[in-house]
Amino acid sequence: EVQLVESGGGLIKPGGSLRLSCAASGFIFTTYTMNWVRQAPGKGLEWVSSISGSSSFIYYGDSVKGRFTISRDNAKNSLYLQMNNLRTEDSAVYYCARDNGYNSGDYWGQGTLVTVSS
Amino acid sequence: YVLTQPPSVSVAPGKTATITCGGNNIGSKSVHWYQQKPGQAPVLVMYDVDDRPSGIPERFSGSNSGNTATLSISRVEAGDEADYYCQVWDSSSDQGVFGGGTKLTVL
Repeated sequence: EVQLVESGGGLIKPGGSLRLSCAASGFIFTTYTMNWVRQAPGKGLEWVSSISGSSSFIYYGDSVKGRFTISRDNAKNSLYLQMNNLRTEDSAVYYCARDNGYNSGDYWGQGTLVTVSS
Repeated sequence: YVLTQPPSVSVAPGKTATITCGGNNIGSKSVHWYQQKPGQAPVLVMYDVDDRPSGIPERFSGSNSGNTATLSISRVEAGDEADYYCQVWDSSSDQGVFGGGTKLTVL
């Protein structure tokens, strides 16, 4: 059974940093592109970042480029999102999602909440 | 790249719901659809325009042409009430893009 479990969310002040993790199981992690998608409270989905299985291809949304870094450790079946210089508008539930090869997310975690507030 | 969805769609049980997703020449893109119920993670209900993931009922179908992609849900049930999002990969910017979402209400 495919499982994705996010962790690392919490309350952080503006300008601070946070590292999110996503633990994957139930599939061959190294063969899948992985994504981070976020959802601000009461708002829609926003794509954040993608990383290919070998980390050769990495992409970011305009709103996080230069502040967020996606990475993965295939030996640990884990996906990460390093978030620096956080802003209030980064407050959201952050989901990790597996890419099914069609640039769509076929499995999603339950999300981890990040709140950026002073 | 911008995807435009109607904020809300209402349909009576047993009827067909049609949710649109507008974008410039979206007909040339692979479109995906997600269903999200309150407090839950999104669920992929359609990918690559008209492919259904396993476990998704045949009542769900998709189409895409010109500047509009469409998710249709036939014989709508109360359990279909949810937010629906379309999504594409914009190869010109190498970014994923979501529509603003459509709240489907079953009357």
